[in-house]
Amino acid sequence: AQSVTQPDIHITVSEGASLELRCNYSYGATPYLFWYVQSPGQGLQLLLKYFSGDTLVQGIKGFEAEFKRSQSSFNLRKPSVHWSDAAEYFCAVLPYNNNDMRFGAGTRLTVK
Amino acid sequence: GAGVSQSPSNKVTEKGKDVELRCDPISGHTALYWYRQSLGQGLEFLIYFQGNSAPDKSGLPSDRFSAERTGGSVSTLTIQRTQQEDSAVYLCAVQPGSGPGELFFGEGSRLTVL
Repeated sequence: AQSVTQPDIHITVSEGASLELRCNYSYGATPYLFWYVQSPGQGLQLLLKYFSGDTLVQGIKGFEAEFKRSQSSFNLRKPSVHWSDAAEYFCAVLPYNNNDMRFGAGTRLTVK
Repeated sequence: GAGVSQSPSNKVTEKGKDVELRCDPISGHTALYWYRQSLGQGLEFLIYFQGNSAPDKSGLPSDRFSAERTGGSVSTLTIQRTQQEDSAVYLCAVQPGSGPGELFFGEGSRLTVL
């Protein structure tokens, strides 16, 4: 079955530390891949996306993500976390052949 | 979110009552999605509208849920005979056409069914 998994429900990191949020997907063909962020009381905002080409993509707010076909992963990273990065992060996938964008369960980031 | 207004922002209703949730996007967005976000869950796809095409209703959880989009702009999600498990945040998103799947979300309507 097609799915997108975020294994970590909640992560806590210290301000200034590096961050990696995991995302794995299970689809027959590589879908379009996205990371969204939902800050408290706000709507979801696109951080970055991968369609094709360079497997390391840069996004807003200093985030980047790396697509690894062999691992069916699209992990989100940031070298140095700021307190304002505390939010819920969602990985999303969109198959090439339909409109059903699937979201992971989200990872809640706490910055201490 | 920029470009999408949802109302009401909060709705408390009694079990068995009908509710209507509204999504009002800036005109020009041909694609419109509804998602449901339950506590501790990801976003659950409900329905998708694209221009004049028949909507993709494959995500609607039961026949108590319906949605329409009038004039290719405003959309209304209706839940009939609400149940407690319908309590969630209902999110509307639009695709501005700048790329597949790049969605702009409203801030959602929080529904609580007592």
